[in-house]
Amino acid sequence: DGGITQSPKYLFRKEGQNVTLSCEQNLNHDAMYWYRQDPGQGLRLIYYSQIVNDFQKGDIAEGYSVSREKKESFPLTVTSAQKNPTAFYLCASSHLEASTNEKLFFGSGTQLSVL
Amino acid sequence: QKEVEQNSGPLSVPEGAIASLNCTYSDRGSQSFFWYRQYSGKSPELIMSIYSNGDKEDGRFTAQLNKASQYVSLLIRDSQPSDSATYLCAVNIGDSSASKIIFGSGTRLSIRP
Repeated sequence: DGGITQSPKYLFRKEGQNVTLSCEQNLNHDAMYWYRQDPGQGLRLIYYSQIVNDFQKGDIAEGYSVSREKKESFPLTVTSAQKNPTAFYLCASSHLEASTNEKLFFGSGTQLSVL
Repeated sequence: QKEVEQNSGPLSVPEGAIASLNCTYSDRGSQSFFWYRQYSGKSPELIMSIYSNGDKEDGRFTAQLNKASQYVSLLIRDSQPSDSATYLCAVNIGDSSASKIIFGSGTRLSIRP
């Protein structure tokens, strides 16, 4: 089945530690996104990528880093510079060819907590 | 000014009534608009997409778009308890070379029996 897979489902970070969240899609989508969601809030854009080896900062990129070495994969690293990382992280992907194909497909999310 | 704005709610509507959710956006060049439903602890799921001015109906859901007023809404007819969720408005902002999908803060909807 085609889809978008995030792992792990739950992740705990110690102070000063970098952690990486995985996101893989087999939908042949060009665009991939990372969003952060705090309790009772909407989704805020961290980073997005439209093609391999290229990505742009979203509204809250500080303390995060990404890579896009393969079309299928868009891992997110939460660095020690991110002082308040506890949140629900959602990865999404979409086509870019035409406006009617822009709908986002979401992974099941990763809940990150600080120990 | 936020790029996409919604009332956070909660919005309480009696079962069987019409629920009306509203969203405004700042980028006049935006062409694509979406409504997502999100249950607690789950990923958002697409309810409606709309690209042209006017109304678009799908079952109990109707999306309305007014680009001149930079306003998009979602109507839910015959509201059911299963409609209780957070509804997220999303807008594609930017040009084709660097467009991004931005979400509002969401409106929490509660359908009371």
